[in-house]
Amino acid sequence: DTAVSQTPKYLVTQMGNDKSIKCEQNLGHDTMYWYKQDSKKFLKIMFSYNNKELIINETVPNRFSPKSPDKAHLNLHINSLELGDSAVYFCASSQGGSSPLHFGNGTRLTVT
Amino acid sequence: TQLLEQSPQFLSIQEGENLTVYCNSSSVFSSLQWYRQEPGEGPVLLVTVVTGGEVKKLKRLTFQFGDARKDSSLHITAAQPGDTGLYLCAGASWNNNAGNMLTFGGGTRLMVKP
Repeated sequence: DTAVSQTPKYLVTQMGNDKSIKCEQNLGHDTMYWYKQDSKKFLKIMFSYNNKELIINETVPNRFSPKSPDKAHLNLHINSLELGDSAVYFCASSQGGSSPLHFGNGTRLTVT
Repeated sequence: TQLLEQSPQFLSIQEGENLTVYCNSSSVFSSLQWYRQEPGEGPVLLVTVVTGGEVKKLKRLTFQFGDARKDSSLHITAAQPGDTGLYLCAGASWNNNAGNMLTFGGGTRLMVKP
């Protein structure tokens, strides 16, 4: 069974469009995250959610909005996509705090 | 902002060679994690080190946490092509807004040629 699954795997879209990436975890973890990995492989945290409450929002444009319908899901919605949004987006979950992260396999977003 | 610098950024070696990857910071971390990421997949945890000076071994991989808990190293003995991947260190620290959080280093891309 896949612990952290995200869809789609690949997403190609044009500038200005709105898109969503879905994430689900079956580990029973309390905290879920979204990370962005740029072309240089640098992983930067975007959001984390703990019991449906946003904990971190690290200078992320408000075009990005996380939505958590329940503890097992954290979706990422992006409005008015820009070229610079092209990257690989990873969903992750953990028990919270400094506990190890379990990552999904990423969504490669390409904005043309 | 906590910063973690990894070196080298890229490393290409022949099968059977030894190598060391470094993870350095000017900040103190409560613990440090090492992950490996393969193409098309997410990072996977290798080990967590918690105590200053701690050494952990995972088969041919040896991880060490610096005495001051500001740095860490990963040593691979007799590297194999299966060790190829992106190695990431992540330090745990306290943030006033977010509580405990992880900061990732920039990664070391390792290629082991047969």
